[in-house]
Amino acid sequence: AQSVTQLDSHVSVSEGTPVLLRCNYSSSYSPSLFWYVQHPNKGLQLLLKYTSAATLVKGINGFEAEFKKSETSFHLTKPSAHMSDAAEYFCVVSDSGGGADGLTFGKGTHLIIQP
Amino acid sequence: DAGVTQSPTHLIKTRGQHVTLRCSPISGHKSVSWYQQVLGQGPQFIFQYYEKEERGRGNFPDRFSARQFPNYSSELNVNALLLGDSALYLCASSLLGGQSVQAFFGQGTRLTVV
Repeated sequence: AQSVTQLDSHVSVSEGTPVLLRCNYSSSYSPSLFWYVQHPNKGLQLLLKYTSAATLVKGINGFEAEFKKSETSFHLTKPSAHMSDAAEYFCVVSDSGGGADGLTFGKGTHLIIQP
Repeated sequence: DAGVTQSPTHLIKTRGQHVTLRCSPISGHKSVSWYQQVLGQGPQFIFQYYEKEERGRGNFPDRFSARQFPNYSSELNVNALLLGDSALYLCASSLLGGQSVQAFFGQGTRLTVV
């Protein structure tokens, strides 16, 4: 079984300051992990993915995430927030052991950017 | 290049009715998955189809069914609609059936049951 917990439902930062969105996961197999972003009235867009290669993953728009197996974490960071980053962010885990459980999404973190 | 397209974009149905939602994957993609996103929650997995066969099913009642056609497009059917079925229904396509492969999502169909 796989699950993911996003530790913050809302995060508010000032423009130009760092962003940290926290995610912990649980998986019976070697997981694939993803971060997706959802802007209002738009589809889900993949930010980055981890699939057992390098533990530090770089994504689009300056985002990156680090896979820490010992902590079962996959936190999303960005050095400097931009107003356009305001959106809903989802941490996602997938069982790469061949199961057909689909992608398991967290409940989401709403990122607010203060001017 | 066209992305994943879903139709209709919005739909209003009455309790007890039936609904069919449609999805066209990205050209060349053979896998389609369906997700339900209730307001304020993350998407929940409903079905995955690959090469016209069901490869996975989430924890949804038998009122939910789906199929994939020879051109890899897909339909999601929901019978005997309940108020709780009101949600954004998302379709995702990927090249292969493995879940570690990147999934591309459509804009979704917003279903309202009254």
